Amino acid sequence: QVQLVQSGAEVKKPGSSVKVSCKASGGTFSSYTISWVRQAPGQGLEWMGRIIPILGIANYAQKFQGRVTITADKSTSTAYMELSSLRSEDTAVYYCAREPDSSSPPDYWGQGTLVTVSS
Amino acid sequence: EIVMTQSPATLSVSPGERATLSCRASQSVSSNLAWYQQKPGQAPRLLIYGASTRATGIPARFSGSGSGTEFTLTISSLQSEDFAVYYCQQYNNWPPRITFGQGTRLEIK
Repeated sequence: QVQLVQSGAEVKKPGSSVKVSCKASGGTFSSYTISWVRQAPGQGLEWMGRIIPILGIANYAQKFQGRVTITADKSTSTAYMELSSLRSEDTAVYYCAREPDSSSPPDYWGQGTLVTVSS
Repeated sequence: EIVMTQSPATLSVSPGERATLSCRASQSVSSNLAWYQQKPGQAPRLLIYGASTRATGIPARFSGSGSGTEFTLTISSLQSEDFAVYYCQQYNNWPPRITFGQGTRLEIK
């Protein structure tokens, strides 16, 4: 059984950065892909990007290109999402999710991390 | 970018009745279409992938159909626990992108 456990809630100032972690257990971390999805309060789901840990290759949604960095540490089975130049509109719950292979959608999700951007 | 459009935005149905939710893609996504259920304060739950394959543990009352640009999620006999928000999602292999529809809120009539 795959489990994804995310880091705790964060409060950040506008213009700063936030880094959220996602620790995986169960399955083989390097064999699957981790995506990051966010959800602003009362809004829908928005895909930010993904990483293939075994290759260390990430790709990003155009909207976040240049502002988001997704990385993975195979030794600790942990993925990270760092978002910079934060603004109030980045206030959201951030989820990590596992894609079991290149032709499948995310199946297991983390519990979510609330990031609040406020002065 | 592929745009996913769901309809209706809100659907009011009585328990025991059938619910039909629609999702349209701005260009063909073949069968790379998934459906998720989300309840307040919870992460999304995968219901359907490959447009019509139920995920592990999903009851048979949930079914998906369609291919290309038009997709449907049907819940055959609504249970109280089915009232939630439903999202469709396309997952293109190349370029590797995921996009979600804006969601359909299924509420008790």
